[in-house]
Amino acid sequence: AQSVTQPDIHITVSEGASLELRCNYSYGATPYLFWYVQSPGQGLQLLLKYFSGDTLVQGIKGFEAEFKRSQSSFNLRKPSVHWSDAAEYFCAVGARAGGYNKLIFGAGTRLAVHP
Amino acid sequence: GAVVSQHPSWVICKSGTSVKIECRSLDFQATTMFWYRQFPKQSLMLMATSNEGSKATYEQGVEKDKFLINHASLTLSTLTVTSAHPEDSSFYICSARDRVAGGGEQYFGPGTRLTVT
Repeated sequence: AQSVTQPDIHITVSEGASLELRCNYSYGATPYLFWYVQSPGQGLQLLLKYFSGDTLVQGIKGFEAEFKRSQSSFNLRKPSVHWSDAAEYFCAVGARAGGYNKLIFGAGTRLAVHP
Repeated sequence: GAVVSQHPSWVICKSGTSVKIECRSLDFQATTMFWYRQFPKQSLMLMATSNEGSKATYEQGVEKDKFLINHASLTLSTLTVTSAHPEDSSFYICSARDRVAGGGEQYFGPGTRLTVT
């Protein structure tokens, strides 16, 4: 069965520090992978996605993620965090064959940024 | 582009009443829309997949008679919570998949916070 694990429930970093949010997935075939960000009381905004090709994916707001098949991981990174990056981050996997009809989300990682 | 709106953004209703939430794709056509439920500080749980012109597909454990979904057009899906109870209080989020554009990604609405008193 498809599943997504985000091991870190809560992470705190200092502004300007680097960031890595972990995501591991379980899926039989090559997955579609996504990272979304949710600000308080808001819907989800897509940061980046991986479907195929280059395993290092660039997204919006300076984020990037790397797909590592051998580790079943899709970790999100940012070299220098800004205070406005404080939010909830969700990793998600979607089925591939015939398009997908649902996303499976991880539990989320709440990011706090100290000045 | 790819904007999804929800109305209302928040609603308070009394126990036993019904409330309707609208989800609209503003600048694209969506043959498929999705309804999620999110409890405080938790992840999104898919409730149902809504396909234009056909019956919705509900996830296991979701009561279809309680959460009525209608996808009457390519830009509008509605979720009606019938005979609401306090345990139905939650943040409801819809998403839509662009019928034309590739990529398969979903565009999310801003969510509707439902409080049942």
